[in-house]
Amino acid sequence: EVQLQQSGAELGKPGTSVKLSCKVSGYNIRSTYMHWVNQRPGKGLEWIGRIDPANGNTIYAEKFKSKATLTADTSSNTAYMQLSQLKSDDTAIYFCAMDQFLTTVPPFAYWGQGTLVTVSS
Amino acid sequence: DIQMTQSPASLSASLGETVTIECRASEDIYNGLAWYQQKPGKSPQLLIYNANSLHTGVPSRFSGSGSGTQYSLKINSLQSEDVASYFCQQYYDYPFTFGSGTKLEIK
Repeated sequence: EVQLQQSGAELGKPGTSVKLSCKVSGYNIRSTYMHWVNQRPGKGLEWIGRIDPANGNTIYAEKFKSKATLTADTSSNTAYMQLSQLKSDDTAIYFCAMDQFLTTVPPFAYWGQGTLVTVSS
Repeated sequence: DIQMTQSPASLSASLGETVTIECRASEDIYNGLAWYQQKPGKSPQLLIYNANSLHTGVPSRFSGSGSGTQYSLKINSLQSEDVASYFCQQYYDYPFTFGSGTKLEIK
């Protein structure tokens, strides 16, 4: 059974960074694209970017290019997202989602449970 | 970037009714469209992919249709468990983009 387990809630001070994790079980992330999506309180979904864990190639939405850094560790089957220079506007739930592009499973069929990041001094 | 315009923003319907949610893309997305259901405090759940393919385990009262720039999600015979927010997403081109969402309530 495929599962995506995200790290726990984070409280970050303005100007600092946080690093979120998304550990995948039941499937090798080398054969996936790992995506990250956020949702601000009471708002809709926003695509941040994706990483190809096999080679580290990344694609970001323009507004997140200087905010988010996506990495992956294939040895632990875990994807990471670091958010830098935190501002109050970064307060949101952050989700990871998987695209098993080598299979017939549709993209975004699997999601993590979300990590709440709260930015506050 | 491809803009996704979703309507309506909210919807109230009676049990057993049929409801339709629409998404319009700013350019042709060649059926690279998914629909998600999200309940409060939960992750989005995939309902429909490739515009009209029902994801495994999703009840058959959900259906998707459309092509080009116009897409829709239909829910037949509305059930109480369908109360949720619904989002469309285009994955035809990067950056992937979502519609603004539709909040569905029971009248």
